[in-house]
Amino acid sequence: SQTIHQWPATLVQPVGSPLSLECTVEGTSNPNLYWYRQAAGRGLQLLFYSVGIGQISSEVPQNLSASRPQDRQFILSSKKLLLSDSGFYLCAWNRGGSVSGRTRQTQYFGPGTRLLVL
Amino acid sequence: SQQGEEDPQALSIQEGENATMNCSYKTSINNLQWYRQNSGRGLVHLILIRSNEREKHSGRLRVTLDTSKKSSSLLITASRAADTASYFCATDKGNAGNMLTFGGGTRLMVKP
Repeated sequence: SQTIHQWPATLVQPVGSPLSLECTVEGTSNPNLYWYRQAAGRGLQLLFYSVGIGQISSEVPQNLSASRPQDRQFILSSKKLLLSDSGFYLCAWNRGGSVSGRTRQTQYFGPGTRLLVL
Repeated sequence: SQQGEEDPQALSIQEGENATMNCSYKTSINNLQWYRQNSGRGLVHLILIRSNEREKHSGRLRVTLDTSKKSSSLLITASRAADTASYFCATDKGNAGNMLTFGGGTRLMVKP
């Protein structure tokens, strides 16, 4: 079966410090991968998605970046955190591929990382 | 406003009652999905309805889709305290990358 991991679960960082959040998926290959941010009590904002190794698409301009060094690894980074970067960061995957189908369209979410920038 | 707006933003009901949440969207879609999120956790997929379908059932869940009105509803029948969570609709426009656009969610509280 497939599983998705995110770490750390919680992170408190000072303004201006760097950030690295990691997401890994097990039990599948060539997934689409996604990073979302969720402000308290709000919906999800798509930050980045990736359809393959080294392929990153950004949905929202900001001081965050993403990388996909391996097929099932997705990393969210920042060189200098801002107060506004605080939030709940969620990684998700789906089966990807060019053939549409119900199972390919469902996204599976990790447990999330709660980031507080002080 | 963004694609996929839920209504109401918050809903409080007694155990055993039905809960209805609505979602509206703006552009044409390939499918619409509903997800559930317990506080501080990741989202869990509940149900997917394609643009050519009008109604889907899964256990106590019933989803309808009206593409002419660009709206969907999620009905939870015979609610339980364990149904307390936030519920999000997400639209899939069928573009490359299978991206979903999420609404702001409905926070449901079911009182025992």
